[in-house]
Amino acid sequence: GAGVSQSPRYKVAKRGQDVALRCDPISGHVSLFWYQQALGQGPEFLTYFQNEAQLDKSGLPSDRFFAERPEGSVSTLKIQRTQQEDSAVYLCASSYPTSGQETQYFGPGTRLLVL
Amino acid sequence: GDSVTQMEGPVTLSEEAFLTINCTYTATGYPSLFWYVQYPGEGLQLLLKATKADDKGSNKGFEATYRKETTSFHLEKGSVQVSDSAVYFCALRGNYGGSQGNLIFGKGTKLSVKP
Repeated sequence: GAGVSQSPRYKVAKRGQDVALRCDPISGHVSLFWYQQALGQGPEFLTYFQNEAQLDKSGLPSDRFFAERPEGSVSTLKIQRTQQEDSAVYLCASSYPTSGQETQYFGPGTRLLVL
Repeated sequence: GDSVTQMEGPVTLSEEAFLTINCTYTATGYPSLFWYVQYPGEGLQLLLKATKADDKGSNKGFEATYRKETTSFHLEKGSVQVSDSAVYFCALRGNYGGSQGNLIFGKGTKLSVKP
C-alpha cells in the first residue's frame, strides 16, 4: 500500500473490555514500532519488531498490553481489561532498515477512549 | 536516559512572520535528530532530519541545524503560511550499540498561523 494503515481509527471501550488494534505497515518494511500518545504529549515508545521477532517490549506499561506480528507483516496490539488511563492515540510506524538511518513512516493512529 | 525538551506552545503567528521552535536534547553518544509534523487529522510526517553534528536539515522552507555544543536542534522558517498550522515534534534516535531505532519525542508545539 501507499502508507501505513491502522484500524480502527476510533475505538470506544468500556473499562474492563479487551481491545485489539491493527497495523498494516508499508509492504516490505522489516521494522515495526508501536507508540502511545497521550493527549497533549509526544508519542512514547511501546514495542519494536524486526520481522516477526519482538526485540524490545520495554515500553509496554503493564502485562495487560500484548503485541504480536506472527508473519512479519501485520501487527496487532492487544490491551486486556482496559483502564481509563489507557485512553490515548496508539501509533504504528514502519521502516526498512538500511544503514540504521532509516526513516520511520507513521500511520494515522487509533484513538482509544476507555469509559 | 535520553530525552528531548521543546518549547511549550501554543505559538500563534501572523502569516509571513519568522518562526523559531526551540528544541534541546540529552542523549548518550551521537543521536540522529528529527522534526516531525502532525497536521490536523493526519498522521505524523517527517519534516527534516540531521544525523551528525553541524548537519542542517531542510524541507518546505523549514531548517534546523544539529548543534552538538549546545545540544540543540531548533526549527526555523523565515516566513510562515497558514498551511503551516500544525503540531511540531522534535525527536531523537540513539545511534549507539544496542539501539534499535525507536524515537524519543518532545511534547510537541502547536503552531497556529493567522492570515
